[in-house]
Amino acid sequence: GNSVTQMEGPVTLSEEAFLTINCTYTATGYPSLFWYVQYPGEGLQLLLKATKADDKGSNKGFEATYRKETTSFHLEKGSVQVSDSAVYFCALSDTEAGSYQLTFGKGTKLSVIP
Amino acid sequence: DTAVSQTPKYLVTQMGNDKSIKCEQNLGHDTMYWYKQDSKKFLKIMFSYNNKELIINETVPNRFSPKSPDKAHLNLHINSLELGDSAVYFCASSLRAGDQPQHFGDGTRLSIL
Repeated sequence: GNSVTQMEGPVTLSEEAFLTINCTYTATGYPSLFWYVQYPGEGLQLLLKATKADDKGSNKGFEATYRKETTSFHLEKGSVQVSDSAVYFCALSDTEAGSYQLTFGKGTKLSVIP
Repeated sequence: DTAVSQTPKYLVTQMGNDKSIKCEQNLGHDTMYWYKQDSKKFLKIMFSYNNKELIINETVPNRFSPKSPDKAHLNLHINSLELGDSAVYFCASSLRAGDQPQHFGDGTRLSIL
């Protein structure tokens, strides 16, 4: 079956620090990969996505590259802000395998301190 | 003009009661979902409907019953509530089954006393 593994949190960084949140996946088909973000008290929002190998998704200064050889989709940002404090979820969608659902990782809580 | 709206936002009730959570989307999407997020933030799909037809039905106690009166609404009814049902329940929608992104509501925090 499909699964997503992301690094355990919480992660605490100072403002302007570099962020990496690791994500690896297993899938039976050829999945699309996503990062969703959940700000406190809100639902999830799509942050970025990549649909094929070597694609790079980017948004709001965040980037992630679909690496098929390492089955990874690590999230990076060069300089985090306090407003980036949230829970980040890596997810995959494997519609080629006939699955309509998103499989989520367990989430990584990021706290950015001034 | 909230895209995906769920009510209530908070629900506090006693064990054994029956309760419902409502969800509506005004995006014109065909597919809607219910997720459960536990205290550790782990998010798991429960159900999905496409044009009022059930397409995903994960291993969930049959005390949970989704109902989709039309494609803009997907309600969740829970019978005989148990302590382990305490969680945040999220509704989401997408244009079609399997499409991304999914648009999420703000969640309903269910607390069982």
